[in-house]
Amino acid sequence: QQQVKQSPQSLIVQKGGISIINCAYENTAFDYFPWYQQFPGKGPALLIAIRPDVSEKKEGRFTISFNKSAKQFSLHIMDSQPGDSATYFCAAGHNNNDMRFGAGTRLTVKP
Amino acid sequence: EAEVAQSPRYKITEKSQAVAFWCDPISGHATLYWYRQILGQGPELLVQFQDESVVDDSQLPKDRFSAERLKGVDSTLKIQPAELGDSAMYLCASSLRGTGAYNEQFFGPGTRLTVL
Repeated sequence: QQQVKQSPQSLIVQKGGISIINCAYENTAFDYFPWYQQFPGKGPALLIAIRPDVSEKKEGRFTISFNKSAKQFSLHIMDSQPGDSATYFCAAGHNNNDMRFGAGTRLTVKP
Repeated sequence: EAEVAQSPRYKITEKSQAVAFWCDPISGHATLYWYRQILGQGPELLVQFQDESVVDDSQLPKDRFSAERLKGVDSTLKIQPAELGDSAMYLCASSLRGTGAYNEQFFGPGTRLTVL
């Protein structure tokens, strides 16, 4: 079932620093790569997503870098804030079907 | 803002009992998903509906789990009998249209199931 591997499992960053979370996938049929943010007691919420026809996508402080040949993609959070403290999941799917999620990264941003 | 509704939010049951979870997707969303999220892991897709039809239930343990979306709107996920290993968060999500599109999946708050 585990077709998306995510690292690190947990991450502690100082306020203002850069948070980097990495994911690797196996299935070359995947063509949609979203990142979700989940706060305790809540369902995941879409943060940013990328398709494999571009190598980078930026929305505000959040950037996805995508390396199709290596089958890897990463989330960069610039100027990390305490409010960013949450669990982040990468995912991969084909046409938004059969979405496979990574195991999650618990991010803590210290003030 | 429209949200995916789920109930109950918490459920405690004894093993071998039957449990049922309900989901009401965002109005107009044709695709509905049920996920299971074990503590410390990512969500795992159990079943996906397009309107009232199942399009993927390959990961659904069909000997004990069943799901229905009779009128293509709200949905029920049932477990009978529940086992200790079923303790998890059960998440429902919906999207405008799943197959052949890249629509955002909107998740509900989940139902936390504890099997004793």
